[in-house]
Amino acid sequence: DAGVIQSPRHEVTEMGQEVTLRCKPISGHDYLFWYRQTMMRGLELLIYFNNNVPIDDSGMPEDRFSAKMPNASFSTLKIQPSEPRDSAVYFCASRPTEGTEAFFGQGTRLTVV
Amino acid sequence: GENVEQHPSTLSVQEGDSAVIKCTYSDSASNYFPWYKQELGKGPQLIIDIRSNVGEKKDQRIAVTLNKTAKHFSLHITETQPEDSAVYFCAASIEYGGATNKLIFGTGTLLAVQP
Repeated sequence: DAGVIQSPRHEVTEMGQEVTLRCKPISGHDYLFWYRQTMMRGLELLIYFNNNVPIDDSGMPEDRFSAKMPNASFSTLKIQPSEPRDSAVYFCASRPTEGTEAFFGQGTRLTVV
Repeated sequence: GENVEQHPSTLSVQEGDSAVIKCTYSDSASNYFPWYKQELGKGPQLIIDIRSNVGEKKDQRIAVTLNKTAKHFSLHITETQPEDSAVYFCAASIEYGGATNKLIFGTGTLLAVQP
């Protein structure tokens, strides 16, 4: 398996624009997590899904953030409108139902100017 | 909810020395404590974990200790090598039936091993 695949790897956008980050989890993994990494706050859990259903979105910072998982092999994290303080590295991770290890993608580095 | 604090934020050691990273957690229900290593430009990767029914676990040069009463856990790396240089994250979670719910991470420690 190729592991968790995220796209794009880098994204630079202007303030106010819509940004969509994409994730393909490892096949067969029923849990999908979105994390945001910053120097100040480390790795923050934004939202996670189980069997495509959002379970806990308490980490989503504002209504500008939304996440979807239309099927077992694809998830998106959308920011609309984007702001400079959203600049961070966003990670997607997945794991199987029976298991404790989370497998991370390589992340998307987002810069909002 | 769970809160995990991690110290130090940066750590520089000489090759061959030991490195220790410490974490505390707040939720007494947490019973699963993994450590992840993140190399430059990559996502975090699990290196070792410990469950609350044991106090210590060792894997070659890496060891983890857990003090459940004090809600402290630590990562110990002995005989450090330049390839140990990375960001290390501790995390806490509740494990049940062989699976966990969400992982709550500490803020990370940047370890630099000087040759």
